[in-house]
Amino acid sequence: GENVEQHPSTLSVQEGDSAVIKCTYSDSASNYFPWYKQELGKRPQLIIDIRSNVGKKKDQRIAVTLNKTAKHFSLHITETQPEDSAVYFCAASRREAAGNKLTFGGGTRVLVKP
Amino acid sequence: DTAVSQTPKYLVTQMGNDKSIKCEQNLGHDTMYWYKQDSKKFLKIMFSYNNKELIINETVPNRFSPKSPDKAHLNLHINSLELGDSAVYFCASSQVRDRGPVNEQFFGPGTRLTVL
Repeated sequence: GENVEQHPSTLSVQEGDSAVIKCTYSDSASNYFPWYKQELGKRPQLIIDIRSNVGKKKDQRIAVTLNKTAKHFSLHITETQPEDSAVYFCAASRREAAGNKLTFGGGTRVLVKP
Repeated sequence: DTAVSQTPKYLVTQMGNDKSIKCEQNLGHDTMYWYKQDSKKFLKIMFSYNNKELIINETVPNRFSPKSPDKAHLNLHINSLELGDSAVYFCASSQVRDRGPVNEQFFGPGTRLTVL
């Protein structure tokens, strides 16, 4: 089955700096890579996703890159703000018979210091 | 206008008891999921239902029994609760179209289960 590794497990940055989180996956058939943000006590919420036919995607201060050959993908947050503090999860999935099982990385706790 | 809702939000119970968690989505999705988030925040899928049919069962103990009365509801019943069942349980839903791409999963607010 799919295995997703995520690094680092914790990340502390100064407000205004960039944050980068990296993930690797094992199943070459995976073709959908979402990133979820989970604030304390809240539900995971999708912030950006990328499909395997795209190498890079950007949405305002957030960007994701995907290297299919190396089986890794990364999340980049620029100009970090205190409200970016949360746990971020990467995940990998592929289209299966009648569902799409998300396999999550272990999460990265991001702390943005004002 | 809540998209995915769960009840209860908190559940505190004794070992050995039986409890249920309910989930409802009003997004018109055909696929629903249960995830378990342990104390280290690790998120792992437990079950997936598509149009009331069990699709994914991730080697979860058979003390856990999901039930889907219709496309909009997926409930989780847990028998003989154990200390290790303490976790946050998230319901999620997505639209899975035949031969279509994988789509976003929307998560419910979670149910924090504490077994004493």
